[in-house]
Amino acid sequence: GQSLEQPSEVTAVEGAIVQINCTYQTSGFYGLSWYQQHDGGAPTFLSYNGLDGLEETGRFSSFLSRSDSYGYLLLQELQMKDSASYFCAVLNSGNTPLVFGKGTRLSVIA
Amino acid sequence: KAGVTQTPRYLIKTRGQQVTLSCSPISGHRSVSWYQQTPGQGLQFLFEYFSETQRNKGNFPGRFSGRQFSNSRSEMNVSTLELGDSALYLCASSLDPVDNQPQHFGDGTRLSIL
Repeated sequence: GQSLEQPSEVTAVEGAIVQINCTYQTSGFYGLSWYQQHDGGAPTFLSYNGLDGLEETGRFSSFLSRSDSYGYLLLQELQMKDSASYFCAVLNSGNTPLVFGKGTRLSVIA
Repeated sequence: KAGVTQTPRYLIKTRGQQVTLSCSPISGHRSVSWYQQTPGQGLQFLFEYFSETQRNKGNFPGRFSGRQFSNSRSEMNVSTLELGDSALYLCASSLDPVDNQPQHFGDGTRLSIL
């Protein structure tokens, strides 16, 4: 079977840095994606890692280590608007759908 | 470019009824996926349609079904509704998710079963 593990909740202070980890067990791993979802809103795509290493997009970065079956999302210079749920999702090879984790609820406090 | 549109936004049904939800993908997107989202369970994959064919199916009972039309619009149907079907149903479209194309989600249909 497949499984993704990520913390259910994280709290961080405005202006700080926070890292949300994701470990996965899957067969035919192809890549790892991250999505953000605000309360009452639609999930929106943040990043994709197909290769090991760090991908940076503004304040957000995502990292993948295929040998460790591990990735993380790094959010820098946290803002109140970053309070949301963050989902990691695994893309497997072949015509298979994305598999999402249960999400990490990030609360940014003043 | 218009985003993914789901209708209706909210729906209240009673046990035993059936419901049909609609999803209009982004123009040019041929893949439409459906997800069920409940608190604490994340996004659970229902099925994916590509060029009018069901390409993948999640682990849901046969009461959940769907289809895709030639214009890529998709519908999902749930028959004999149960209380546990209360959830947010999300539709996502992409050029082709198996080619690591990102999924674009609609705002969802919130279904409540009384």
